[in-house]
Amino acid sequence: GQSLEQPSEVTAVEGAIVQINCTYQTSGFYGLSWYQQHDGGAPTFLSYNALDGLEETGRFSSFLSRSDSYGYLLLQELQMKDSASYFCAVYSGGGGNKLTFGTGTQLKVEL
Amino acid sequence: DTAVSQTPKYLVTQMGNDKSIKCEQNLGHDTMYWYKQDSKKFLKIMFSYNNKELIINETVPNRFSPKSPDKAHLNLHINSLELGDSAVYFCASSQDPGSPLHFGNGTRLTVT
Repeated sequence: GQSLEQPSEVTAVEGAIVQINCTYQTSGFYGLSWYQQHDGGAPTFLSYNALDGLEETGRFSSFLSRSDSYGYLLLQELQMKDSASYFCAVYSGGGGNKLTFGTGTQLKVEL
Repeated sequence: DTAVSQTPKYLVTQMGNDKSIKCEQNLGHDTMYWYKQDSKKFLKIMFSYNNKELIINETVPNRFSPKSPDKAHLNLHINSLELGDSAVYFCASSQDPGSPLHFGNGTRLTVT
């Protein structure tokens, strides 16, 4: 089966940098994704890493180390609107068509 | 608007009833999904269809039956509803298996 672990809560101040870690155990790993979900809203796609290294998209970056079964999401220049839940998710299974989500990290951005 | 839309947004019903949730996507995607999000926000995949063919069927009670009349629609029918079925159900689509998911706004099901 698959299991993903991430911290349940992270608090940071506006303008700061925060890193949300994710460790995973899975068979047939294809890639690691990150999704953002605001309270009452739908999850929205943020990033995808299939290969080791850092992917940068604006204020958000995502990192993957396949050998360590580890990844992280880095959020820079935090804004109040970044307060949300962040989920890591792994693609696995035959053809990599199964996306399994972690338990989510609630990020609170304070003034 | 191009989107994944699901109806109804809220569904309140009694134990033992049968209910359906509809989902439609106009993104031209080949793959559609149903996810269940419980009160602890845990998102669990239930089913996935690719071009109307079932490709993922997790260990879901057989009271849950998905139906895909065409690749733009994936409906979920639930028989004999139980208290534990209360959750938010999200429909999603992707260009193909392994591509980013686009989620609908969810259906909050409350079973009393």
